[in-house]
Amino acid sequence: QQQVKQSPQSLIVQKGGISIINCAYENTAFDYFPWYQQFPGKGPALLIAIRPDVSEKKEGRFTISFNKSAKQFSLHIMDSQPGDSATYFCAASNRRDSSYKLIFGSGTRLLVRP
Amino acid sequence: DVKVTQSSRYLVKRTGEKVFLECVQDMDHENMFWYRQDPGLGLRLIYFSYDVKMKEKGDIPEGYSVSREKKERFSLILESASTNQTSMYLCASSPGQGSSGANVLTFGAGSRLTVL
Repeated sequence: QQQVKQSPQSLIVQKGGISIINCAYENTAFDYFPWYQQFPGKGPALLIAIRPDVSEKKEGRFTISFNKSAKQFSLHIMDSQPGDSATYFCAASNRRDSSYKLIFGSGTRLLVRP
Repeated sequence: DVKVTQSSRYLVKRTGEKVFLECVQDMDHENMFWYRQDPGLGLRLIYFSYDVKMKEKGDIPEGYSVSREKKERFSLILESASTNQTSMYLCASSPGQGSSGANVLTFGAGSRLTVL
């Protein structure tokens, strides 16, 4: 059972454009929503994360938007650069789960054309 | 600066062979995880461990087992490899509950296993 649904599977954006990746979750007990970035040949690394008590979090060109009522959250990459080309995974977890297991989405392969 | 090390980047094994994937972390983390990464399926949790000699099944434990004899080392074992276990395997670790960054996973670079 896929608890976190991610779209699109792949995305091509021109340099300077906005990249948008969407995720939806089912489990209302989830209360931590990170995004991980993975470059070829590397493991995923934490990019940015949000908790449901805020609707938006921004770090540089990266912004998470969170809609609790719709159970959706999205990653926006402003002024996308070729160096942003990577695979992006959304994830969710329940802080009351002491192991902090993350449930990941299926991933989005982003290509930013020069 | 490497914090989670997976001993084998690429492995080729034959059906029925026993396979060991080793993972070592140097951050004194309590939690360790094994994920499997497949295109279109994302990262799926196989097993995790929150303490030495402790283990819990993740979402897809069938065909796998794990061992954690020391805090820094977490091994994934395929008792009898099958072709449907051809995949990228990612090890990760995180600090224990209540620690700073407790919910941040640090991943290794992955081990790509091909079963013929």
